[in-house]
Amino acid sequence: QVQLVQSGAEVKKPGASVKVSCKPSGYTFTGLFIHWVRQAPGQGLVWMGWINPNSGDATSAQKFQGRVTMTRDTSIGTAYLELSSLTSDDTAIYYCATSLSPYLTFWGQGTLVTVSS
Amino acid sequence: EIVMTQSPATLSVSPGERASVSCRASQSISSHIAWYQQKPGQAPRLLIYGASTRATGVPARFSGSGSGTEFTLTISSFQSEDSAIFFCQQYHDWPPLTFGGGTKVEI
Repeated sequence: QVQLVQSGAEVKKPGASVKVSCKPSGYTFTGLFIHWVRQAPGQGLVWMGWINPNSGDATSAQKFQGRVTMTRDTSIGTAYLELSSLTSDDTAIYYCATSLSPYLTFWGQGTLVTVSS
Repeated sequence: EIVMTQSPATLSVSPGERASVSCRASQSISSHIAWYQQKPGQAPRLLIYGASTRATGVPARFSGSGSGTEFTLTISSFQSEDSAIFFCQQYHDWPPLTFGGGTKVEI
């Protein structure tokens, strides 16, 4: 079955960067798009962007443009989300999710990123 | 960007009752809406896509309806294990994908 395993929780200082990984299994890595969604404590879901693991083409939401980088390493079947210039507003759970269509069928377990001085 | 507005914010239901959650889009999205269920400490789970198609393994008591700008998620006979926050999401005009603010449904 399809599973997405994300990297562990991170604690970062304001101004730093964080890189979260997402390793899918149960399907061909290049066969499905990967989306990134975040959820601040007690808040709703915010879409951050998506990457085509086959081509490496990525599109981020305008809100995050200039601060977010989505990449993948096809040799190890892993996708990455990097967010820079962190502030306390970036404290959230970051999810990767995958699907052939733009509704999100399979989700990772989430990675908690805490930004605190 | 298409704005998705959910109502109510919180809904209290008794076991066996019918529960309905509404989602309104700021412009027509045809049937390009999905619904998710999120339980505490868990990732969201896809329930419905295409406005009314249940995802694999989703019980038949969950149903979706609507088109254009008005949509409804209905739980026909609420079970205690259904307590969760429910989100709608449009994929008609993206990027960005946009979500509703969520509806907490509890006993």
